[in-house]
Amino acid sequence: QKEVEQDPGPLSVPEGAIVSLNCTYSNSAFQYFMWYRQYSRKGPELLMYTYSSGNKEDGRFTAQVDKSSKYISLFIRDSQPSDSATYLCAFSPYSSASKIIFGSGTRLSIRP
Amino acid sequence: GAGVSQSPSNKVTEKGKDVELRCDPISGHTALYWYRQSLGQGLEFLIYFQGNSAPDKSGLPSDRFSAERTGGSVSTLTIQRTQQEDSAVYLCASSSDLGAQHFGDGTRLSIL
Repeated sequence: QKEVEQDPGPLSVPEGAIVSLNCTYSNSAFQYFMWYRQYSRKGPELLMYTYSSGNKEDGRFTAQVDKSSKYISLFIRDSQPSDSATYLCAFSPYSSASKIIFGSGTRLSIRP
Repeated sequence: GAGVSQSPSNKVTEKGKDVELRCDPISGHTALYWYRQSLGQGLEFLIYFQGNSAPDKSGLPSDRFSAERTGGSVSTLTIQRTQQEDSAVYLCASSSDLGAQHFGDGTRLSIL
């Protein structure tokens, strides 16, 4: 079993739709949960960072963590064409400033 | 500039040659990381430097790969006797002690 599973997509939705991106993980030691966004030919940038189970909201983005199910989600409300990118879930047992295990990424396209 | 800088942005070389990839972290960041991203794959951790501590080399795929960080700042990733499977994007990130990792835009390495 892979340590992190993420559907590679591609996922295509119309502008304004709610997007749901998900990852599952198997390592119980993971304590820090992150979502990165990566535009084509650019490095990843941190979108959301959570430590505990539950929801964290930042503007149009909501990160959800369910440690009991080893499942994390990223929701994007009122999606925009500028949200078109690859989204990577990421995990660490220690902190964001340490070795991070990344998912393979979901390619998202928002149709105008 | 204020971000992580990587050079060269693109590198094409023949199989069997050695290559050096350079990373200039954000000033003041104590931690520096190298990752590899192959086509359609997530980021694969390679090596992690934190201050004066011994680096975490657990992700280096073979002894052809090595990295150093001089003066706690600039880092060089060296791949000796390159193979075609080394073709990938090599990404560098830096962070403060407990901060999020900030990525450069990577070096795209192609082995002919």
